[in-house]
Amino acid sequence: NAGVTQTPKFQVLKTGQSMTLQCAQDMNHEYMSWYRQDPGMGLRLIHYSVGAGITDQGEVPNGYNVSRSTTEDFPLRLLSAAPSQTSVYFCASSYSGSINEQFFGPGTRLTVL
Amino acid sequence: QQPVQSPQAVILREGEDAVINCSSSKALYSVHWYRQKHGEAPVFLMILLKGGEQKGHDKISASFNEKKQQSSLYLTASQLSYSGTYFCGTEIKNNYGQNFVFGPGTRLSVLP
Repeated sequence: NAGVTQTPKFQVLKTGQSMTLQCAQDMNHEYMSWYRQDPGMGLRLIHYSVGAGITDQGEVPNGYNVSRSTTEDFPLRLLSAAPSQTSVYFCASSYSGSINEQFFGPGTRLTVL
Repeated sequence: QQPVQSPQAVILREGEDAVINCSSSKALYSVHWYRQKHGEAPVFLMILLKGGEQKGHDKISASFNEKKQQSSLYLTASQLSYSGTYFCGTEIKNNYGQNFVFGPGTRLSVLP
């Protein structure tokens, strides 16, 4: 099993550009989530999904969109990148809900100039 | 809503013990502990459910006092491999009942 995979590993954008961060898992997990990590702020939940077709907002959803068309994939879209979105982004999945162990992907380091 | 962790950072010598605390102003349904090494993804340590549960893994254990809305992580006879940032996390009830929030982290450095 590959576990949770994320692409790209690094990305540099200019202000106003859009892009999609990819996340996939092969563990048949229902629950998937996106976090951003900034120095001194810990991990903050952006969006999460409890199953295909169901998504909800987390703590910091503004500027991001998600969709969940399959169990395996949970892409995160930046609509119009801003310097404040410079961060490390982690995707995570768990068997069923946040009550279970979350498996994290390796992360995407995004810089917005 | 974010849990509070203390201390923010701690430096130990190999073999020494440490305690990391996590508390919340909101009711805690469960407490999760993760460790993250520099440049890597967080890795799961353990989950504690309400009921005064205490768990252990090797020389790392934790307790959960739901009445006090706090949890503590105990690292005994620390090893160099224990270095990293420790995060506690907890569920926040919302529409789907499955939102999640992490504390700001405690940076642990174990020196030889």
